[in-house]
Amino acid sequence: GAVVSQHPSWVICKSGTSVKIECRSLDFQATTMFWYRQFPKQSLMLMATSNEGSKATYEQGVEKDKFLINHASLTLSTLTVTSAHPEDSSFYICSAVRTAGYTEAFFGQGTRLTVV
Amino acid sequence: DQQVKQNSPSLSVQEGRISILNCDYTNSMFDYFLWYKKYPAEGPTFLISISSIKDKNEDGRFTVFLNKSAKHLSLHIVPSQPGDSAVYFCAASATGTSGSRLTFGEGTQLTVNP
Repeated sequence: GAVVSQHPSWVICKSGTSVKIECRSLDFQATTMFWYRQFPKQSLMLMATSNEGSKATYEQGVEKDKFLINHASLTLSTLTVTSAHPEDSSFYICSAVRTAGYTEAFFGQGTRLTVV
Repeated sequence: DQQVKQNSPSLSVQEGRISILNCDYTNSMFDYFLWYKKYPAEGPTFLISISSIKDKNEDGRFTVFLNKSAKHLSLHIVPSQPGDSAVYFCAASATGTSGSRLTFGEGTQLTVNP
């Protein structure tokens, strides 16, 4: 399967600071990337859909000014958690697809964010 | 509104026996279904998928069955191995959505005992 790399795998930050998480497709060009959030023992909740060269589409209830998404190239999308608070602590996962349609999404290894 | 539901949070089976994980969905627009395996602190790994034009898809030890009328799918693992112990998520998508915009179930923790 294709490889999607997410960095960092874990990060601890102070309240009020911003954290950037990178998602890279290593061996294919990803037209679309998705950002998910998972709370302990819960499902993966889609936060936003990121298309290369255009603005991200956010799911209902997700603050676009708080979770900034940039998809500047076909191999890189970034999620920046701005002015982080302890309630933002979670496991963030990205996925990438080659083309639209019936294509399996390949997931990164996830980023554990802890805000103290 | 949980459109994809996995009603069993956990399942325990003996090594060598069959594991059956179930998933129900409510959105009739869903026409592509996937199963993912996930270890703690890692991203999900794709296992197997099925299109709504089929009712069965098999890949080695893994078989997915789809019952469209019941809006139900299941993943069969046979024979089960201790290395299969993980959380299994089913996911669904609908034609016309952006790429693989997936809706996930809550997951089922499978434990295979030696």
